[in-house]
Amino acid sequence: AQTVTQSQPEMSVQEAETVTLSCTYDTSESDYYLFWYKQPPSRQMILVIRQEAYKQQNATENRFSVNFQKAAKSFSLKISDSQLGDAAMYFCAYTRPIYNQGGKLIFGQGTELSVKP
Amino acid sequence: GAVVSQHPSWVICKSGTSVKIECRSLDFQATTMFWYRQFPKQSLMLMATSNEGSKATYEQGVEKDKFLINHASLTLSTLTVTSAHPEDSSFYICSPRGPNQPQHFGDGTRLSIL
Repeated sequence: AQTVTQSQPEMSVQEAETVTLSCTYDTSESDYYLFWYKQPPSRQMILVIRQEAYKQQNATENRFSVNFQKAAKSFSLKISDSQLGDAAMYFCAYTRPIYNQGGKLIFGQGTELSVKP
Repeated sequence: GAVVSQHPSWVICKSGTSVKIECRSLDFQATTMFWYRQFPKQSLMLMATSNEGSKATYEQGVEKDKFLINHASLTLSTLTVTSAHPEDSSFYICSPRGPNQPQHFGDGTRLSIL
């Protein structure tokens, strides 16, 4: 069975600084997708970034980038120039491709990020 | 604009009541619906998966007779919590998926059972 582990329950960063959130996963599949979701106090699920396992290039979205290490099964999220609005719970998630019973997401435990002004 | 509408956003009811939560996909056909549950300070856990017109598949430990899922159309799925008890109090989130669509989420329903 696939599992996703986030070992940092809480992280803190100074505004304008950089922070990295860790995520490891376990799977026997070679093709899959990884995601980082942000959940603010409103509890909306907001997609931050997505990575296809077959792509070697790390995904980036503005201030957000990932370090995807497939062999190590590691998928960390780097937030640059942190802003107060980045404060939220962040979830790492895994899913198989649609053609392989995909769609359902397996989430990590979450990391609560606080941003200090 | 929002592509998923989930209602109600918050419901408080007495123990023993049945509660229905609706999830609508607004501008795409949701061939598959995922229902997640999130307890306070915890992660999202998948409860069940349903395909339009078929019976739902429940994850281990989720009572299918307590959490009734109906996915009769491509734009509407409902989750009914039957005879709800305080331990069913949680945050329920739907996630419809359609062909060539990214994963969408409803805004969630906060269920409080007194």
